Amino acid sequence: DGGITQSPKYLFRKEGQNVTLSCEQNLNHDAMYWYRQDPGQGLRLIYYSQIVNDFQKGDIAEGYSVSREKKESFPLTVTSAQKNPTAFYLCASSTVEGEAFFGQGTRLTVV
Amino acid sequence: GQNIDQPTEMTATEGAIVQINCTYQTSGFNGLFWYQQHAGEAPTFLSYNVLDGLEEKGRFSSFLSRSKGYSYLLLKELQMKDSASYLCAVRDGHTGFQKLVFGTGTRLLVSP
Repeated sequence: DGGITQSPKYLFRKEGQNVTLSCEQNLNHDAMYWYRQDPGQGLRLIYYSQIVNDFQKGDIAEGYSVSREKKESFPLTVTSAQKNPTAFYLCASSTVEGEAFFGQGTRLTVV
Repeated sequence: GQNIDQPTEMTATEGAIVQINCTYQTSGFNGLFWYQQHAGEAPTFLSYNVLDGLEEKGRFSSFLSRSKGYSYLLLKELQMKDSASYLCAVRDGHTGFQKLVFGTGTRLLVSP
């Protein structure tokens, strides 16, 4: 079955640690996106990529990094520079013109 | 830059009709999407408009006016399961650097 998979579903991180969230898709989509969602809020764009080996900053990229070495994969690293990382993180993919499909999300908590 | 506005919250009664509005300002418009999101879950796609006019899909319809930077989502024959957040999203930018930007979402509460 085609789809987009995020892992893990829940993640706990100690303050000062980097952590990487996985996102894989087998839909052959060129575009991939990372969003952050805080309780009761909308989705804010962190990074996006339209082709392999290229990505662009979104509205809240500070404290985050990404890579796009393969078409299927777009991992997000939450670095220690991100001051308030506790949130729900959503990865999505799309064709260049079409609707985005979302993974199930990763809920990150800093302990 | 871009700015997308939606009402924060709306309430309606089961069986009724509700219209959720979305206004936007973008540098390069290339389509508007509506998504539904239940609490704690990922958004799911509802509709897409790129040309002016109305798109109908069952109980859901979406309208777009590009000249006014305005869209609405119309939900008919409301059911309790329609209680969710509804997100308006705009594909903003030019070929090669198009990003998908979301509004803050509208929480819809359907009561019996």
